[in-house]
Order: sequence, then C-alpha cells, then structure tokens
Amino acid sequence: DTAVSQTPKYLVTQMGNDKSIKCEQNLGHDTMYWYKQDSKKFLKIMFSYNNKELIINETVPNRFSPKSPDKAHLNLHINSLELGDSAVYFCASSLSGNQETQYFGPGTRLLVL
Amino acid sequence: QQQVKQSPQSLIVQKGGISIINCAYENTAFDYFPWYQQFPGKGPALLIAIRPDVSEKKEGRFTISFNKSAKQFSLHIMDSQPGDSATYFCAANYLGGKLIFGQGTELSVKP
Repeated sequence: DTAVSQTPKYLVTQMGNDKSIKCEQNLGHDTMYWYKQDSKKFLKIMFSYNNKELIINETVPNRFSPKSPDKAHLNLHINSLELGDSAVYFCASSLSGNQETQYFGPGTRLLVL
Repeated sequence: QQQVKQSPQSLIVQKGGISIINCAYENTAFDYFPWYQQFPGKGPALLIAIRPDVSEKKEGRFTISFNKSAKQFSLHIMDSQPGDSATYFCAANYLGGKLIFGQGTELSVKP
C-alpha cells in the first residue's frame, strides 16, 4: 500500500519548459508539503498546504506554483524551468495536530538540460 | 537563526560498532527534533524523534540524546549493521510543521 506517492519518478526536460509534479497521499492526512533536495542532499521546505490552504511559503521563485485540489493531493507546477531547478522534489504529508511528524514520498528526480 | 548544523558529513563504522551523529541549533523556538533515514533513491523516513523536555529517547538500537542547555542533540546507533548504511538527517520543527534539516551524514557500516 503506497502511503505518499509522486508522479513522475523521473523528469528530464529542456530549459524554458513548463512541467508539473503530482503528489497523492492515502494516509488521511490534511497537511501536505513540498521539499527540494539539492545535489548535496540538502533538504529545504518549499511549501505547505493545510486543507487546501497555503500555510508555508518559503522564498521560492514565483515560477513555482503549488496547487491543492483537495487535502489528499498537492501538485507542483514549475514554469520556465532553469538549470538550477534540477533536484529531487519530495512531497510529504502529516496531520494538522501533529505537523512535525511528516511522511515523505519517494521523490521526483528533475533534470533540466 | 533557522539553522541546524550536523556533523560529521560522512562516517565509516565497523559492523557491531556505535555510530554517533551530532546536531546543534540556535533557535530556542524549535519544539521537536526528529531524525530521518534516507536510502539511495528513496524518500526520507522518520526514524526517531524527541521533544526538548526529554533528555534521552531510545527505540531499539537507536537512541537520541538531547542537551537543551547546550542546544545539541545526537543520534546513537548501537550494534551498527551494514543495513544501517544510509544518509541520516537531523531536523528541528519550527512554527508547526516547518522542518529545518541538517546537512546530512552519510553512514557506511563495513562488514
């Protein structure tokens, strides 16, 4: 049983393109997150949504736009991709009463050429 | 300061030995300190966590030691096994759900 799933697993694209990453969780959680892990494995939070409302928005370029159609889904759309966007993007989820305990998805490996 | 400093960057331990990873923080508003384990090609998985009002927490071979006055905490892996070889991240929770991660430690346990 997959708890937090992401699609696609790999994404190779050209600079300037627009791409989306999808995330779904079946844990019954109401809070979801996007993290970026760079080439040095450093993990940094990007966004957090609680019941479809944005609650954490770090200093991320506005080319990145998260969308949460419902509390089980959180998608990440990236416009005008740049070389520096190459990274692994992780989705995570938690309960709002226990937001510090987060469960991560398997990651989406994005390579911008 | 919303930083968590982790050391060492890499660690090699013999099978059966003790692996120790250290983390330090500045922000006293952090209220929860989890450790995550990440295998290559996988997402981070919660391993063990502690709150700042507790000095030690043990789960199986994994122990967190927490020193509130020094603003330091550490992960001890007893009887380290080759299957423990992974990258370990300490983290600190800020403002309900904003996890600040350390830089990670690549642990290699030699048979």
